[in-house]
Amino acid sequence: DARVTQTPRHKVTEMGQEVTMRCQPILGHNTVFWYRQTMMQGLELLAYFRNRAPLDDSGMPKDRFSAEMPDATLATLKIQPSEPRDSAVYFCASDYQGINQPQHFGDGTRLSIL
Amino acid sequence: AQSVAQPEDQVNVAEGNPLTVKCTYSVSGNPYLFWYVQYPNRGLQFLLKYITGDNLVKGSYGFEAEFNKSQTSFHLKKPSALVSDSALYFCAVRAPESSASKIIFGSGTRLSIRP
Repeated sequence: DARVTQTPRHKVTEMGQEVTMRCQPILGHNTVFWYRQTMMQGLELLAYFRNRAPLDDSGMPKDRFSAEMPDATLATLKIQPSEPRDSAVYFCASDYQGINQPQHFGDGTRLSIL
Repeated sequence: AQSVAQPEDQVNVAEGNPLTVKCTYSVSGNPYLFWYVQYPNRGLQFLLKYITGDNLVKGSYGFEAEFNKSQTSFHLKKPSALVSDSALYFCAVRAPESSASKIIFGSGTRLSIRP
């Protein structure tokens, strides 16, 4: 069964450090989404890509967050410098350019910034 | 602009009883509607979708949802709840006005099934 793979599953680091989260979308999927989930804000869309090009990153704090797709099998989300308020679970999801297709989610990266 | 509302933060049901998790939406044109479930420490999992056709759609784990255009609702239902159905449920909508349209998720409803 094809799955979206996210690494690391857990990350604890100190404020000010750089954090990199990685996502391997399902093979053949050409649209990749990054979400952040917190108790207070719920599920927020940060950015998404189609065919490796960014389509919308309006949900992402531009001063410290960056998202890229170096190739079709890897998406990255970086935070530099990290802050305690960035503590959350970050999810990656993918689908194949289908507005009537469901997104497939990874199991997330649980990030704690001390 | 499209939006989704899940009016209940929590729904409590006794095992064996029917359950309903409510969802209403606002979108221009015909909506594409989805339900997802999230178990602890896991990502969201797709349950079912409405694209077109029969207003009653069936999905995984015995769940179904009814699309009601006049009430702009897409409530999730199950005839007989199981304790294992306890989880966080998300309704989502996509407007098909462009191929770049993004999916909008509701705030989630926590379903608790008591034995």
